[in-house]
Amino acid sequence: DVKVTQSSRYLVKRTGEKVFLECVQDMDHENMFWYRQDPGLGLRLIYFSYDVKMKEKGDIPEGYSVSREKKERFSLILESASTNQTSMYLCASSFLGELFFGEGSRLTVL
Amino acid sequence: DAKTTQPPSMDCAEGRAANLPCNHSTISGNEYVYWYRQIHSQGPQYIIHGLKNNETNEMASLIITEDRKSSTLILPHATLRDTAVYYCTPRVEGSQGNLIFGKGTKLSVKP
Repeated sequence: DVKVTQSSRYLVKRTGEKVFLECVQDMDHENMFWYRQDPGLGLRLIYFSYDVKMKEKGDIPEGYSVSREKKERFSLILESASTNQTSMYLCASSFLGELFFGEGSRLTVL
Repeated sequence: DAKTTQPPSMDCAEGRAANLPCNHSTISGNEYVYWYRQIHSQGPQYIIHGLKNNETNEMASLIITEDRKSSTLILPHATLRDTAVYYCTPRVEGSQGNLIFGKGTKLSVKP
């Protein structure tokens, strides 16, 4: 079965902390994505990557960076967390248009 | 990418068919219509996709109008576990770019 694993389901961080959200897929997919989901706003794309060491900005990249050192791993980094980054973060990989999502990481920034 | 319009919410009685519409009037000729759903507190799940012919799988059926400007996802016998937010999104099959989700339709299946 297809598997996308996000490192933490729930995190609580303080304003100004550096936050790492890790995502690993076991399907050898080239494309990986990070979304955030907020009530009433649907899913919004933060960054995506179509190859190792490649990254592209999505719709809302401000305040975030990403790292793709290995094909199976795509990390989302919040250099200095802020309260408006409290959200559900979803990682996905894709093959031929079909997205496979992880379970999500709910981040609370105090 | 084409924009989509979906009703924000719908109700359906358990055991009845749920018909979820999606308008995608600006869809391009090479874009497929993809449907996903998201059950509360879980990541979205792929349901089905199609280009211009109607499609059916073990989860649902997809009806696409002849002009391709709209489609309907059909859950033939809705259960309480089908309560979820349903997203339709056009996309070129095999493209490398991102998949744009709108706000979707919140389907509530009631006993």
